[in-house]
Amino acid sequence: QVQLVESGGGVVQPGGSLRLSCAASGFTFSSYGMHWVRQAPGKGLEWVAFIRYDGSNKYYADSVKGRFTISRDNSKNTLYLQMNSLRAEDTAVYYCAKADATIPLYFQHWGQGTLVTVSS
Amino acid sequence: QSALTQPPSASGSPGQSVTISCTGTSSDVGGYNYVSWYQQHPGKAPKLMIYEVSKRPSGVPDRFSGSKSGNTASLTVSGLQAEDEADYYCSSYAGSNGPYVVFGGGTKLTVL
Repeated sequence: QVQLVESGGGVVQPGGSLRLSCAASGFTFSSYGMHWVRQAPGKGLEWVAFIRYDGSNKYYADSVKGRFTISRDNSKNTLYLQMNSLRAEDTAVYYCAKADATIPLYFQHWGQGTLVTVSS
Repeated sequence: QSALTQPPSASGSPGQSVTISCTGTSSDVGGYNYVSWYQQHPGKAPKLMIYEVSKRPSGVPDRFSGSKSGNTASLTVSGLQAEDEADYYCSSYAGSNGPYVVFGGGTKLTVL
């Protein structure tokens, strides 16, 4: 079955950097686009970024554009999110999610999430 | 893109039906049939319940159904069960030549 396991969260100071990873298994990772979605404590969901199955195209929410970079290593079945210039408002649980193969506009499967706390 | 509008709460008794609305604009909900719904229990990851307005992934009970009229989408839960108590989020494609998705603020469904 599909399994997505995020890691790399933690506490970081404002202006700092962090790299999240998402290890995928149970499906052909290299055939699917992948998303990152976040959820601030006690708040709703916010789409963050998407990468096509082959890494050829990447898309970002305006709130993270220029600061976050999504990438993937299909040889390692792993998705990444490099987060730079972190702000307090980036504090959230970050989920990776598998997209549908043909219409990547919804999130078929989700990981359990990893918490990022930006605080001095 | 602005968030979609959902009521903060909804409730019903076991066995009853409840409908949760999700209101957007002609640029998102009204413009495309790419509305999806997610269920989230406390401390857990969201789960896809409905996609493309009214389609159910395998394993999702047929008590869950989706529809859309104009700029408003709806999720109906029939035959409410205790385990349906959770937060529900809608999302929609928001256009702009990429997989840009906007979410609703979420609705807390309470089974009385």
